[in-house]
Amino acid sequence: ETGVTQSPTHLIKTRGQQVTLRCSSQSGHNTVSWYQQALGQGPQFIFQYYREEENGRGNFPPRFSGLQFPNYSSELNVNALELDDSALYLCASSWHPTDTQYFGPGTRLTVL
Amino acid sequence: AQKVTQAQTEISVVEKEDVTLDCVYETRDTTYYLFWYKQPPSGELVFLIRRNSFDEQNEISGRYSWNFQKSTSSFNFTITASQVVDSAVYFCALRTHTNAGKSTFGDGTTLTVKP
Repeated sequence: ETGVTQSPTHLIKTRGQQVTLRCSSQSGHNTVSWYQQALGQGPQFIFQYYREEENGRGNFPPRFSGLQFPNYSSELNVNALELDDSALYLCASSWHPTDTQYFGPGTRLTVL
Repeated sequence: AQKVTQAQTEISVVEKEDVTLDCVYETRDTTYYLFWYKQPPSGELVFLIRRNSFDEQNEISGRYSWNFQKSTSSFNFTITASQVVDSAVYFCALRTHTNAGKSTFGDGTTLTVKP
């Protein structure tokens, strides 16, 4: 196991609702990256946080937002949920933005 | 732009067979990093290997080996004497030095090892 934890494991929401996903990074890691993985596809980069600042963002709309806390844990917030937001959301932590990323078990989000 | 192509969507082998998973990447950066991850049915991505662009040395770790060839932009992964526990989805990923936070993943290869 990597030491990266995510909560909740599963979540069911309806269209238009808002959701918050949480990630605790591995001890000693100050960088957290978030990915969305749709069924049958590879993970897609959402954004990365390094020392509490956003350090890069993928091609996702502004309704996807995040935070990183002083203890380097992180949240991913998604507003105005759409059906296409249904996916596995993966969090990865690393010692530095260029270092190898270690992934958590993911949160499975279903939007009805 | 960066891109990773895993042309093999699904591979099925019988236990003890050798199998090679292909990965072809595209990037204009001269400094980049390549990765392989394993994703079992539980969903967690398990890190297998990292290779830097300036290090073309191939690597062997037990039954796993990796062949990195910059001339063909390929980073292939071979499992020798496959086992049922090797059944999973395998992803190849690319990160560039100028955009180090972002990993670009291929769509994965589903490997099924039958007893």
